[in-house]
Amino acid sequence: DGGITQSPKYLFRKEGQNVTLSCEQNLNHDAMYWYRQDPGQGLRLIYYSQIVNDFQKGDIAEGYSVSREKKESFPLTVTSAQKNPTAFYLCATADILSGNTIYFGEGSWLTVV
Amino acid sequence: RKEVEQDPGPFNVPEGATVAFNCTYSNSASQSFFWYRQDCRKEPKLLMSVYSSGNEDGRFTAQLNRASQYISLLIRDSKLSDSATYLCVVYSSASKIIFGSGTRLSIRP
Repeated sequence: DGGITQSPKYLFRKEGQNVTLSCEQNLNHDAMYWYRQDPGQGLRLIYYSQIVNDFQKGDIAEGYSVSREKKESFPLTVTSAQKNPTAFYLCATADILSGNTIYFGEGSWLTVV
Repeated sequence: RKEVEQDPGPFNVPEGATVAFNCTYSNSASQSFFWYRQDCRKEPKLLMSVYSSGNEDGRFTAQLNRASQYISLLIRDSKLSDSATYLCVVYSSASKIIFGSGTRLSIRP
């Protein structure tokens, strides 16, 4: 089955801890994205990557870090520097050469306790 | 100014009504446009792509106006099941994809 797998679906973090959200895809898409969504709000771009070993900051990159060591994987680390990390995190991929449809994982809910 | 701006609503309309949403974008070089639908606490799902010539899918019609830099979505004969948040999506550059903040739609019986 082709698609995007995000894990974990639900995660609780203590203040001051770093956590890493996993995103794996088998769609062979070059571009991958991380978005954050707060309740009742739209999606805001955190980081994106067009190609392996390269990534760019989105609109709200502060307090987050990413890596793109493999085409299939684009993990997001929420660091302790992110002051308000409780949110819904969505990973997405796209076939950018064709300007085509964006595919989403099912999302990860992060709660700081 | 945000790269993509969208009326947040909420729109509350009776079943059978016609409702329209607009979304403006700031980058005139943007090439690809979409409308996505998002249900509560779920990931967004593709509703339809938006083409320069306009396109229709059943009760849904999407339009692109490049001169004024906006896209629109028209829903005719709305159903209760159309209640959701509608997100416009713009390929702001070759690979940067920006979402509007979403328009909430509630259809009442």
